[in-house]
Amino acid sequence: EVQLLESGGGLVQPGGSLRLSCAASGFTSNNYAMSWVRQPPGKGLQWVSAISGSGGSTYYADSVKGRFTISRDNSKNTLYLQMNSLRPDDTAIYYCAKGTVTAAGTGYFDSWGQGTLVTVSS
Amino acid sequence: DIQMTQSPSSLSASGGDRVTITCRASQGIDNFLAWYQQKPGKAPNLLLYETSRLESGVPSRFRGSGSGTDYTLTISSLQPEDFATYYCQQYYTTPRTFGQGTKVEIK
Repeated sequence: EVQLLESGGGLVQPGGSLRLSCAASGFTSNNYAMSWVRQPPGKGLQWVSAISGSGGSTYYADSVKGRFTISRDNSKNTLYLQMNSLRPDDTAIYYCAKGTVTAAGTGYFDSWGQGTLVTVSS
Repeated sequence: DIQMTQSPSSLSASGGDRVTITCRASQGIDNFLAWYQQKPGKAPNLLLYETSRLESGVPSRFRGSGSGTDYTLTISSLQPEDFATYYCQQYYTTPRTFGQGTKVEIK
């Protein structure tokens, strides 16, 4: 059974940084791309970033490009999202989501974590 | 970016009703469309992919159809556990984009 468990969320001031983690189990990590998808309170889903199974390819939404960095450590079955220069509009529940192919540039999401809340506020 | 427009944004229905949700892409997405169900306080759950392929474990009352830019999710007979918000998502290209959601409420 696939399990994804996010951690690292919390309250941070504007301009601050936070690193999210997603511990994965139940599948061979390097066979699948992973993504981060966020959901602002009371709003819809927004894809944030994706990384290929090997970690060699990454993609970002324009709204986070240059501020967020996605990475993975397949030896630890863990996905990361380093978030810098945080803004109030980054406030959201952040989900990690498993892709269905190795490549990061396409695919839907067949498993999701429970999410971790990031609040950016002074 | 490909824009995904869902309609309606919300609807009220009764148990046993047939419900249809539509999703329109701003350009053709070649059937690379998925549907998710999200209940309050929970993560989204994959229902269908590639327009009409049912994810394992999803009841057959959920059906997807469409082509080109226009796609549809149909729930043939609404059950109590189906009251939720539904999202479409295109994966034809990156950035992957979602519709704004359709909330299915109890009438």
